[in-house]
Amino acid sequence: QSVLTQPPSVSAAPGQKVTISCSGSSSNIGNNYVSWYQQLPGTAPKLLIYDNNKRPSGIPDRFSGSKSGTSATLGITGLQTGDEADYYCGTWDSSLSAGKFGGGTKLTVL
Amino acid sequence: EVQLVESGGGLVQPGRSLRLSCAASGFTFDDYAMHWVRQAPGKGLEWVSGISWNSGSIGYADSVKGRFTISRDNAKNSLYLQMNSLRAEDTALYYCAKGGLSITGTPWRIWGQGTMVTVSS
Repeated sequence: QSVLTQPPSVSAAPGQKVTISCSGSSSNIGNNYVSWYQQLPGTAPKLLIYDNNKRPSGIPDRFSGSKSGTSATLGITGLQTGDEADYYCGTWDSSLSAGKFGGGTKLTVL
Repeated sequence: EVQLVESGGGLVQPGRSLRLSCAASGFTFDDYAMHWVRQAPGKGLEWVSGISWNSGSIGYADSVKGRFTISRDNAKNSLYLQMNSLRAEDTALYYCAKGGLSITGTPWRIWGQGTMVTVSS
């Protein structure tokens, strides 16, 4: 069981909006930056969001991140079929002195 | 172009050893912490180990502590993972990832394509 908890799956129609939650504790999300990763089938993970809400160059503003207390949220608007992927949150856990990922959320664009 | 290329994976028997390598290019390697992250077939991401720019700070997941050793050679722009006493549960695709300025500094900004390790008799 992951230290960071994500829903196993979410789904929405093309053009709609979806949010993916990531719940942790004070030793990880509560006191460290959160990042989000997109993993398309058969490919390596790709950084989508870092430092809770910043987008790397080249990531469209359809992707957004937020953090409140010990939880973080990834938002995706204007869903496209190409967004179907697994999404992971990640952060450092200061108590465990280890990097941590959520269990991953599979996004289906219906 | 920033690039990470892993190598060294393969099929190995339980209890044996394997050494993974990661060749970095396109950035100042010795400015950044580096990490290994693995993904078992059909499973999620698991952070394995991280090392600071000067090897002064190193961390391991509990699942590999005492069996795996991370190291780096800044002169060769290379990261390594020595894996001993391998178990079936170590079977995974192993990714090399560029970290932040310190070992605790996420995100894992750049990822390689991974090298597959299969532990089986």
